[in-house]
Amino acid sequence: NAGVTQTPKFQVLKTGQSMTLQCAQDMNHEYMSWYRQDPGMGLRLIHYSVGAGITDQGEVPNGYNVSRSTTEDFPLRLLSAAPSQTSVYFCASRITPRDSSYEQYFGPGTRLTVT
Amino acid sequence: QQQVKQSPQSLIVQKGGISIINCAYENTAFDYFPWYQQFPGKGPALLIAIRPDVSEKKEGRFTISFNKSAKQFSLHIMDSQPGDSATYFCAASLTTSGTYKYIFGTGTRLKVLA
Repeated sequence: NAGVTQTPKFQVLKTGQSMTLQCAQDMNHEYMSWYRQDPGMGLRLIHYSVGAGITDQGEVPNGYNVSRSTTEDFPLRLLSAAPSQTSVYFCASRITPRDSSYEQYFGPGTRLTVT
Repeated sequence: QQQVKQSPQSLIVQKGGISIINCAYENTAFDYFPWYQQFPGKGPALLIAIRPDVSEKKEGRFTISFNKSAKQFSLHIMDSQPGDSATYFCAASLTTSGTYKYIFGTGTRLKVLA
């Protein structure tokens, strides 16, 4: 198992550009989520999905879109990048959304800089 | 009511010492409290977790103490080692009414001196 994979590892964007951060898991997990990590702010939930075709907003969803067409993939789209979106982004997955005691696995992260 | 407050922000401990990180929550509906460990350049990884019906859980050198009435929980790292140097996050989960979220604390950067 590769676990949770994320691409790219690093990305620099100009203000107003769009891009998609890729996330994939090969563990057949129902639950997938995106977090951003900023200094002194911890991990904040952007969007999550409880299964293919089902997504919902987290704490900080503005400026981001997600979709979940397959169990394996959960891409995060930045429609028009802003400097405030400079952050490290983590994708995570868990086998089921219904029991939070199951371990949540994190990917290695994508470091995004918006200039 | 959804916040989890974590302290201290940073911690320096001598090798062999005890590291203590504290968290406090407000929402009594939280039903699961994990701790995550993150090394530089890596994603967080689950370290240890506890449910609110248990007052203490120990795994090796790592212990969670849980005080339900005070709405506080803490991570104790006994015999701290330089390899424990990392950022630690507490979290609380809320699984009610179709929401399946973790709320994370702001993190504690631990440095263990050799």
